[in-house]
Amino acid sequence: NAGVTQTPKFQVLKTGQSMTLQCAQDMNHNSMYWYRQDPGMGLRLIYYSASEGTTDKGEVPNGYNVSRLNKREFSLRLESAAPSQTSVYFCASSSSTSGGSTDTQYFGPGTRLTVL
Amino acid sequence: AQSVTQLGSHVSVSEGALVLLRCNYSSSVPPYLFWYVQYPNQGLQLLLKYTTGATLVKGINGFEAEFKKSETSFHLTKPSAHMSDAAEYFCAVSEDRDDKINFGKGTRLHILP
Repeated sequence: NAGVTQTPKFQVLKTGQSMTLQCAQDMNHNSMYWYRQDPGMGLRLIYYSASEGTTDKGEVPNGYNVSRLNKREFSLRLESAAPSQTSVYFCASSSSTSGGSTDTQYFGPGTRLTVL
Repeated sequence: AQSVTQLGSHVSVSEGALVLLRCNYSSSVPPYLFWYVQYPNQGLQLLLKYTTGATLVKGINGFEAEFKKSETSFHLTKPSAHMSDAAEYFCAVSEDRDDKINFGKGTRLHILP
């Protein structure tokens, strides 16, 4: 099992450019999550999806869109990148059917994004 | 809203010494509490969690944590530090099994030879 995979590992964008971060899991999990990690800020939830076809906002959704393409894949799109979106982005998944907390979340290795 | 405060953004201990990472929570209801670890250039991994029942929770790699309601604390301990324990540790809280996790800001643990 690969677990949770993310592509790309690194990306540099110019302000205003768009891109999509890809995430896939092979654990047949129901819930998937996107977080951003900034120094001294911990992890903050951007969006989550409790099942295929559903998505909900987290703590910091502005400037992002997501798509739960199927049960395996959950993508994060930046339509017009800004320097404030420079961060490390983590995708996670869990067996929870509600996006809730008590089922263990499994994290991908992260994508380091720099916006110039 | 629930939150956690991790005391100390950096903690250094000598190899073989006791590891103590402090976490205090704020919650209006009995919380669910978690510790996650992040090794360099990797994603987070669950160390242990408290949901209900026994207040002393044992996790992986010899770590344990005790839920103390009277002190609103969930400190992480390990009797003897190893070099491989060097990582960033995150305490987290949620108020309901269907609620999202709120992470603390993290504590980076340094192990001195």
